[in-house]
Amino acid sequence: NAGVTQTPKFQVLKTGQSMTLQCAQDMNHEYMSWYRQDPGMGLRLIHYSVGAGITDQGEVPNGYNVSRSTTEDFPLRLLSAAPSQTSVYFCASLDSGAVEAFFGQGTRLTVV
Amino acid sequence: AQSVTQPDIHITVSEGASLELRCNYSYGATPYLFWYVQSPGQGLQLLLKYFSGDTLVQGIKGFEAEFKRSQSSFNLRKPSVHWSDAAEYFCAAPYPGGYQKVTFGTGTKLQVIP
Repeated sequence: NAGVTQTPKFQVLKTGQSMTLQCAQDMNHEYMSWYRQDPGMGLRLIHYSVGAGITDQGEVPNGYNVSRSTTEDFPLRLLSAAPSQTSVYFCASLDSGAVEAFFGQGTRLTVV
Repeated sequence: AQSVTQPDIHITVSEGASLELRCNYSYGATPYLFWYVQSPGQGLQLLLKYFSGDTLVQGIKGFEAEFKRSQSSFNLRKPSVHWSDAAEYFCAAPYPGGYQKVTFGTGTKLQVIP
């Protein structure tokens, strides 16, 4: 059982470039979220989704877009990367019954 | 706004010693509370959770946590720490009425010395 799969694991971007971080889950969870993790700041919620076709903003949504066309996939798009977006990004899916979040392994993004 | 606070950024304990990691919450109603662990280079894994009922909660890897309403705390404990427990620990809670969103504390990094 794969759980939550994130790709890529590492990425270096130049300022102004765009890219998509991929997230897929195979647990049929309705809820999915994207977090960024920065030293001393814990995890901060970027965007989340409560089901296919439904997304909403979290704490720090600026500079990021999401969509949810299927239950399984929840990609995160950076339209024009900035150095302030250098971070480790985690995707999570939430078992709404158990209220337990399952996390991917993370994507370490560096913007130069 | 609700929040969870972890006052200790870094803690060092000797292997075999007991451990307590602090977490304070600010909520109006009884919150749901979680502890997650993150090993280096890994995602987060749920250690334990509190919903209601018994205020002492048992989790995986020998961890337990106690919910104390009077102190607004949900501290994580382990009687005897192993070197493999070295990791970062996060206290967390869902937003009331919206379990699709979880807010995390800033984390406590645990170092275990021989």
